[in-house]
Amino acid sequence: QSVLTQPPSVSGAPGQRVTISCTGSSSNIGAGYDVHWYQQFPGTAPKLLIYGNDDRPSGVPDRFSGSNSGTSASLAITGLQAEDEADYHCQSYDISLGGSVFGGGTKLTVL
Amino acid sequence: QVQLQESGPGLMKPSETLSLTCAVSNYFISSGYYWGWIRQPPGQGLEWIGSIYHSASPYYSPSLNSRVTISADTSKNQFSLKLNSVTAADTAVYYCARLDSTGRFDYWGQGTLVTVSS
Repeated sequence: QSVLTQPPSVSGAPGQRVTISCTGSSSNIGAGYDVHWYQQFPGTAPKLLIYGNDDRPSGVPDRFSGSNSGTSASLAITGLQAEDEADYHCQSYDISLGGSVFGGGTKLTVL
Repeated sequence: QVQLQESGPGLMKPSETLSLTCAVSNYFISSGYYWGWIRQPPGQGLEWIGSIYHSASPYYSPSLNSRVTISADTSKNQFSLKLNSVTAADTAVYYCARLDSTGRFDYWGQGTLVTVSS
């Protein structure tokens, strides 16, 4: 069981908007620790997609955005494209565990 | 561009000790940042194993703490992972990555699959 909870899968049609939730607790997201998001294609390493809750590394399209509130965070993807089909993982820090924690990952399917 | 490359055995037997090394290029690990290990069992999510700062004690996931040792060799610009008494549950792709002060893993190795099987 992952410390952060994500839906196993989400889907959307090209052009649509989808969101992926990441639910934590008062010892991680709720404690104010930043949430980071990673995009992972099959057989490859995760790639940093969103950092510090809502910032994008250079080269990441502004179709990707992050937000958080309370003990949860969300990744939103607008103008969905076929190339966005991948696994998405959230990550934060947990003060009780004393280290990084991840969500279980969400598989995005573009219909 | 910082580059990381994992190396180690692909196949192990139960009860053996897993040893992996992460070679870092284009950045001296002694210059700063934390460096970490993350694993991903087949078809599952990511699991943080532990992290190290070159001049400080490493820290580990509580679930693996009793079996894990992470060390750094600044002379070779690499850091290593040892995991004792492996079982089939330790079968996973193991990644090394750079961890910055905000807690994000900004650079990753390509990963290496370790299979534990008798």
